[in-house]
Amino acid sequence: SQQGEEDPQALSIQEGENATMNCSYKTSINNLQWYRQNSGRGLVHLILIRSNEREKHSGRLRVTLDTSKKSSSLLITASRAADTASYFCATELSGGYQKVTFGTGTKLQVIP
Amino acid sequence: GAGVSQSPRYKVAKRGQDVALRCDPISGHVSLFWYQQALGQGPEFLTYFQNEAQLDKSGLPSDRFFAERPEGSVSTLKIQRTQQEDSAVYLCASRHRDSREQYFGPGTRLTVT
Repeated sequence: SQQGEEDPQALSIQEGENATMNCSYKTSINNLQWYRQNSGRGLVHLILIRSNEREKHSGRLRVTLDTSKKSSSLLITASRAADTASYFCATELSGGYQKVTFGTGTKLQVIP
Repeated sequence: GAGVSQSPRYKVAKRGQDVALRCDPISGHVSLFWYQQALGQGPEFLTYFQNEAQLDKSGLPSDRFFAERPEGSVSTLKIQRTQQEDSAVYLCASRHRDSREQYFGPGTRLTVT
């Protein structure tokens, strides 16, 4: 079963605009990660935020985490056509479990 | 250095056949994961190895699925008596002991006819 659900399921924006996608999950986590998947490069890790962190930045990416609401958001600023891909949140449960549970994904299309 | 590799990239099997999917992780990565990804869905966890030990196989959908990593490096996912519902992309990922970041292979697309 999928622990996380991304919202929206699909998003289409113009190049240069910002893209925001959200992830909700169900149980306590150790960390939350975002991955990108496109046909050219497969599934690639983007950023990790730990349960005791609230915000993290990496280049054009900004991730927030609200553990009280069990939700996270990924913001991509100044989007490029190359950002076109599916984006997945993935949670690692607390309690020493190693398995990572992926959400259902947001399909982002950036129009040049 | 080389990334995670998987073979074959594509596999067509007739229903009832056995298949074996191979994963070569990044050298030195202790952890290895297998996932199943259906079309339009996120990857679903199948099983996890730390070195040669299979520590979590809670995601294997049935006893027809079997995974091994006998020397703590290369891993094989075997599916016996394949069914049409087994059609999916099977992804392998490895992870360094000091990191939570998983490195994924390109996947094997299995089609059962």
